[in-house]
Amino acid sequence: QSALTQPASVSGSPGQSITISCTGTSSDVGGYNYVSWYQQHPGQAPKFMIYEVSNRPSGVSSRFSGSKSGNTAYLTISGLQADDEADYYCSSYTSSSTLYVFGTGTKVTVL
Amino acid sequence: QVQLQESGPGLVKSSETLSLTCTVSGGSMYSSYWSWIRQPPGRGLEWIAYMYHSGSTNYNPSLESRVTISVDTSKSQFSLKVTSVTAADTAMYYCARRSPYWYFDLWGRGTLVTVSS
Repeated sequence: QSALTQPASVSGSPGQSITISCTGTSSDVGGYNYVSWYQQHPGQAPKFMIYEVSNRPSGVSSRFSGSKSGNTAYLTISGLQADDEADYYCSSYTSSSTLYVFGTGTKVTVL
Repeated sequence: QVQLQESGPGLVKSSETLSLTCTVSGGSMYSSYWSWIRQPPGRGLEWIAYMYHSGSTNYNPSLESRVTISVDTSKSQFSLKVTSVTAADTAMYYCARRSPYWYFDLWGRGTLVTVSS
């Protein structure tokens, strides 16, 4: 089971919106609504941002939103802020023997 | 508020066994899945294993032959053992709580394990 595919980097100016894609297959992203997203600042543990494709846990800003179309999931960050600069990882349940797979990770840069 | 804390040696010799423990504080281990995830320096996340509080386990097939996860609910701890380690096992190791709906909602701070030759 290969990792889910994310762009290596995405950048935007403060206040803009950016979208990170996460492409899998019908065995993972496309087949189940068990996609989640994590934010990781340098030297820190990942932080849980989105679950079940589009749900935000309490405490996560409404500027973060998730969606899915076919085999690709998306994380959108609106009103980009300096503190949003971090690595972002998607993940999904998979029907393969691996059971669970992370994305390759995307570095978000705030210009 | 539930918190997780990893502990264990930061340096392990090649071919030996890596052993880590995660202590769960501020809450119960029951009705939850407890997991280990690792991240090699400068690279992405890799799920290693999880187990339910009752003892049922699942492993990443790529590591299954060398990995054992166990739980001690009386001590509020769960553990990871990786045998026959190589430099490829050098990574930050995180313990995490996994939801029944396949997301990790709580993470420890991580512990860096370096495999030396």
